[in-house]
Amino acid sequence: GQNIDQPTEMTATEGAIVQINCTYQTSGFNGLFWYQQHAGEAPTFLSYNVLDGLEEKGRFSSFLSRSKGYSYLLLKELQMKDSASYLCAVRDMVRDNNDMRFGAGTRLTVKP
Amino acid sequence: EPEVTQTPSHQVTQMGQEVILRCVPISNHLYFYWYRQILGQKVEFLVSFYNNEISEKSEIFDDQFSVERPDGSNFTLKIRSTKLEDSAMYFCASRSGTGANQPQHFGDGTRLSIL
Repeated sequence: GQNIDQPTEMTATEGAIVQINCTYQTSGFNGLFWYQQHAGEAPTFLSYNVLDGLEEKGRFSSFLSRSKGYSYLLLKELQMKDSASYLCAVRDMVRDNNDMRFGAGTRLTVKP
Repeated sequence: EPEVTQTPSHQVTQMGQEVILRCVPISNHLYFYWYRQILGQKVEFLVSFYNNEISEKSEIFDDQFSVERPDGSNFTLKIRSTKLEDSAMYFCASRSGTGANQPQHFGDGTRLSIL
């Protein structure tokens, strides 16, 4: 499968901006997803990128560079409820029959 | 909003016993998945299912595992002879067939505890 790398943990302050990076290697890239997972809960979909550039959705934005195998999730105006794990997931049409594989996730802690 | 539902929310089973985890995917979805998440670890792909057959499975999904769609609504994961290391949260997910950008929607999971 792919190698998907994310920082293990990050800490940020309420009201601030945080950027969570994800790098990946694929044989047949066919989309990158970001999910949010609160402790003990299911992953919930945040964003999808398949073309280069920035996708904005309210306080959350996601960026993709296919040539660099790189994405980031940008969270603005952080709130305490944003404390969660953020999972980068990549779909590979060659290696994984177009199924999605997750990175290990980045645990974000938002402090007052 | 339609949801993926999973039952039970928590299953406690003796080692060596069979267990069946149940899922009801979103009704018009065509692709179905099982994932596993051991406590504190990553979400791991187990199997994908489309058109009434397995389309992909991971190394974790060995002969002890099987999936079934017994009717038009349920999607089950069976573990034949459970081991201690099968203790994990098991998530079911489904996706519609209309376009690669459609995300997978996850159920709330079944926490499986093997004693």
